[in-house]
Amino acid sequence: DIQLTQSPSSLSASVGDEVTLTCRASQSISRYLNWYQVKPGEAPKLLVYGAANLESGVPSRFSAIGSVTEFTLTITALQPEDFATYYCQQSFDTPFNFGPGTKVDV
Amino acid sequence: QVQLQESGPGLVKPSGTLSLTCVVSGDSIVSNNWWSWVRHSPGKGLEWIGEINYSGNTRDNPSLKSRVTISVDKSMTRFYLKLNSVTAADTAVYYCSRRFSVGWNDSFDLWGRGTLVTVSS
Repeated sequence: DIQLTQSPSSLSASVGDEVTLTCRASQSISRYLNWYQVKPGEAPKLLVYGAANLESGVPSRFSAIGSVTEFTLTITALQPEDFATYYCQQSFDTPFNFGPGTKVDV
Repeated sequence: QVQLQESGPGLVKPSGTLSLTCVVSGDSIVSNNWWSWVRHSPGKGLEWIGEINYSGNTRDNPSLKSRVTISVDKSMTRFYLKLNSVTAADTAVYYCSRRFSVGWNDSFDLWGRGTLVTVSS
């Protein structure tokens, strides 16, 4: 199975800050890496697909890059609604594992 | 607008079978997508359970040790999850989701609101 690790596991930030989240895969997954935002009591929301493509409707303060085994998600000018947990997920091969998440809080 | 909605018992006894239904509206299961189940628990995070396509082809997570059955009904408007021999470790919020797969875009793009299933006697 392909394992994903995320760092940091949590971070504290303030409105207006820029934060960068990292996801690493245990083997090459090319660009088959997605990012989701999860808020308490809500379903996951797809933010980024194919490592670097913003899903329709996602604000441009979100950006992502990466390939092979190293991927990052950056949020510039953090907004109050961005405080959440972010998960990466690989779709290169089954099982379609998720990373353990990075919690972004105040 | 495509919507997914899960339903099923919120409480299942240990060693019993968890059974959930996902109703798909605004789209058809007869499409070039896979229809998935994902669960979210505090202890294990997000976990892909398995999926089915309109042809009835299924794939599931080996970590669940063949306890999973996913099926689709003939109306192609709903699909199902059965997880047998449940334990407390199966307590989680269960989501149904659409996996869209075209080129680099291979992602869970639509989700139901989720349903909490607790395994307890």
